[in-house]
Amino acid sequence: SQTIHQWPATLVQPVGSPLSLECTVEGTSNPNLYWYRQAAGRGLQLLFYSVGIGQISSEVPQNLSASRPQDRQFILSSKKLLLSDSGFYLCAWSVRQGGSPLHFGNGTRLTVT
Amino acid sequence: DAKTTQPNSMESNEEEPVHLPCNHSTISGTDYIHWYRQLPSQGPEYVIHGLTSNVNNRMASLAIAEDRKSSTLILHRATLRDAAVYYCIVYGTASKLTFGTGTRLQVTL
Repeated sequence: SQTIHQWPATLVQPVGSPLSLECTVEGTSNPNLYWYRQAAGRGLQLLFYSVGIGQISSEVPQNLSASRPQDRQFILSSKKLLLSDSGFYLCAWSVRQGGSPLHFGNGTRLTVT
Repeated sequence: DAKTTQPNSMESNEEEPVHLPCNHSTISGTDYIHWYRQLPSQGPEYVIHGLTSNVNNRMASLAIAEDRKSSTLILHRATLRDAAVYYCIVYGTASKLTFGTGTRLQVTL
């Protein structure tokens, strides 16, 4: 069966520090991968999605970046965090077939202080 | 991607059926209708999806209007564990999926 791992679960970082969140998927090949952010009490905002290794599409201009160095690995990074980067970060995957369901990880709660 | 419209909140009594509506008047012919739910401090959980015909699974039923411009998620017997935010989204072959603010379902004894 397929599983998605996302870590860490919680993170407290000072303003201006770097960020690296990692997501890995097991049990499937060539998945579509997604990074979402959810601010407190708000809906989900799509940040990045990827249809293959090295292929990243950005949906929102910001100081975050994403990379996909391996087929089932998706990394969210920042060189310098802002207070506004605080939120709940969620990784998700789906099979390539159009209209396929998304499967989410348990998320990372990031607090920038 | 087509936009969806959902009520901000709904209430239900435990053990009663719940009908959660969603309007998606700009849906295209290849767009699927998906429902997810999110509990506090957790990632969204897939509930059900469909294209044209009504769908049933162990969690819920999905009723799709004949013109596909609206759909209804049906929880046959609400429990306290069904209290969550329910998201309706529509998407097709495009890779990006956009979530709205969803419907917050409250279930009371």
